[in-house]
This record gives sequence, structure tokens and C-alpha cells, in this order.
Amino acid sequence: GAVVSQHPSWVICKSGTSVKIECRSLDFQATTMFWYRQFPKQSLMLMATSNEGSKATYEQGVEKDKFLINHASLTLSTLTVTSAHPEDSSFYICSASWTDTQYFGPGTRLTVL
Amino acid sequence: GENVEQHPSTLSVQEGDSAVIKCTYSDSASNYFPWYKQELGKGPQLIIDIRSNVGEKKDQRIAVTLNKTAKHFSLHITETQPEDSAVYFCAAIIDFGNEKLTFGTGTRLTIIP
Repeated sequence: GAVVSQHPSWVICKSGTSVKIECRSLDFQATTMFWYRQFPKQSLMLMATSNEGSKATYEQGVEKDKFLINHASLTLSTLTVTSAHPEDSSFYICSASWTDTQYFGPGTRLTVL
Repeated sequence: GENVEQHPSTLSVQEGDSAVIKCTYSDSASNYFPWYKQELGKGPQLIIDIRSNVGEKKDQRIAVTLNKTAKHFSLHITETQPEDSAVYFCAAIIDFGNEKLTFGTGTRLTIIP
């Protein structure tokens, strides 16, 4: 149990385009999901907390208008990187809470050309 | 807020030997301490966790110890195998349901065959 999936696993896009990443809890319902960003050889940096049915809570320094989060159901949260630029290239990882434990998705590698 | 320090940043161990990774935390209110293993290009995988009401927990070759007085906890891997090679992250949280994890900086463990 407690499986979290992400789609796509990797994406390459042109500068200026928007990219949507999906995070799904496959075998449990998650009222709260989290979005992280990870640079090479670094730890995970929390970007925002996604709550089902309400607005996401963003960490300091994270642009709300650039990283749009929608948590429309108990099993799906989406992160949209709007007007992506090369500096947005990174590994994006989501997690979902279940029984007071966080389970992580496999990550999405975003490359912006 | 919570601050988690992790040592060492890199660790090389001969296959079959034991590996120990140590973390310290700052907030005495933290009461849940998970450990994650992250392989290259993948999301973190929960390998073991411990709550503050116990001092030690073991799962086959993996064990975690917690010293609440000193505010430190450690991961112990015995009889290491090549597949144990990965980056390991400790984390701490004040366990009120869906609170944010604070991660350590990670330890790159290499098992030498």
C-alpha cells in the first residue's frame, strides 16, 4: 500500500511554455500532498503544501503565479510550471500523507530548453 | 523552526560491514523521525521510521535509534550489500497529522564490493 505516482516521469519543453505534472495517490486518499524541488546532489526543498479543496500554501520565496498547484480530489494534485525558463529545470517530487507518514512519488525530471 | 543536521555527507563502506548515519534536530517538540533512501533519478523511499515513544526500532538489516535527551537519531545498516548504495535522508517532524518534514542534507553511501 501507500503508492504515489507521478506523470510524466520526464519532460522536455521550450522556454515560455507551461508544463503540468500530476501526482496521484493510487491506493489511499490524501487530503494533503506536498511538492518538492531537488537540485543535483542536494536535499529536497519544499515548495508548497497542497490541500484538497483549498488553496495551496507556498513556502517563502516560491512564486505562486509561476508554480500553480491544484488539488481537486483526494487522489490527485497537479503542479503547473507556467512560462517555464531554463532555470526551472529541476527534479520535481510530490509526496502524500497517509497515517501520519509521507510517501513520495518517483519524481519528474523537467528540462527547459 | 526545526533544523536537522546530518553526518557524514559521504560514506564508503566495504561490503558486509556496517554503516552508521547520524542526525541531530533542534526542536524538542519533534516526535517523528523517518529515514528515506533515494536512488539516482528516483523519488525517496521510506525505509524505516521511529516515533518518540521508543528508543530503537529494527527491521531486518536496518535499525534506527533515538536519543530524545540529546536530540539525535541514527540509522544503522548491517551486513551492507551493493544495493544499499544510495543517498539517505533523515527527517524530523512535529507529528500533528500533515505537518511539513524537515530534511537533513543527505548522506551518499557507497558500498565497495
